[in-house]
Amino acid sequence: GAGVSQSPSNKVTEKGKDVELRCDPISGHTALYWYRQRLGQGLEFLIYFQGNSAPDKSGLPSDRFSAERTGESVSTLTIQRTQQEDSAVYLCASSLFREKFFGPGTRLTVL
Amino acid sequence: DQQVKQNSPSLSVQEGRISILNCDYTNSMFDYFLWYKKYPAEGPTFLISISSIKDKNEDGRFTVFLNKSAKHLSLHIVPSQPGDSAVYFCAASQTGTYKYIFGTGTRLKVLA
Repeated sequence: GAGVSQSPSNKVTEKGKDVELRCDPISGHTALYWYRQRLGQGLEFLIYFQGNSAPDKSGLPSDRFSAERTGESVSTLTIQRTQQEDSAVYLCASSLFREKFFGPGTRLTVL
Repeated sequence: DQQVKQNSPSLSVQEGRISILNCDYTNSMFDYFLWYKKYPAEGPTFLISISSIKDKNEDGRFTVFLNKSAKHLSLHIVPSQPGDSAVYFCAASQTGTYKYIFGTGTRLKVLA
């Protein structure tokens, strides 16, 4: 596939459980971003990876959130001890230059 | 602190007429602006952008206007088509940064 893919597309979990969300960026894209969109809100920046540089984690809302990226490929966003306010659509995007290409998102519901 | 605001959560327009979506920003350091379109269950897709050195950028049926003094941009779609029905997000950034600040979106419905 030529686009950004994310899995799972939907995730329902119980409060307190850990979840892992996956993003496969477009091949060759050096930059990868995670955003979150809560109901009625805009897209909220979470974290940015660029090549081998240290990631910009300034948007992560708490230390329950972490993300990793292997080289210039797959990234995983992990949320530990999920809370109901973590319910949102989590979007991944990748880019080579300025334009960002978004994946379809993972809808996370925390009961 | 909402640096990018889309004050109209929804808009309905008749097919063939003009759709005008508005966006306001507060940070005068922003110098690059974009519009994204999002269909349900899909990620946002890039539509059109404008740099602050211009006040208008046109691409087919889509035109973005930038009024720097008012810190306001708008997206015009003419003529509107039913397939344009989607949520439109405006975003802003500063040259040299990679963080786009997004508005909350406007849901456009084009009525056939």
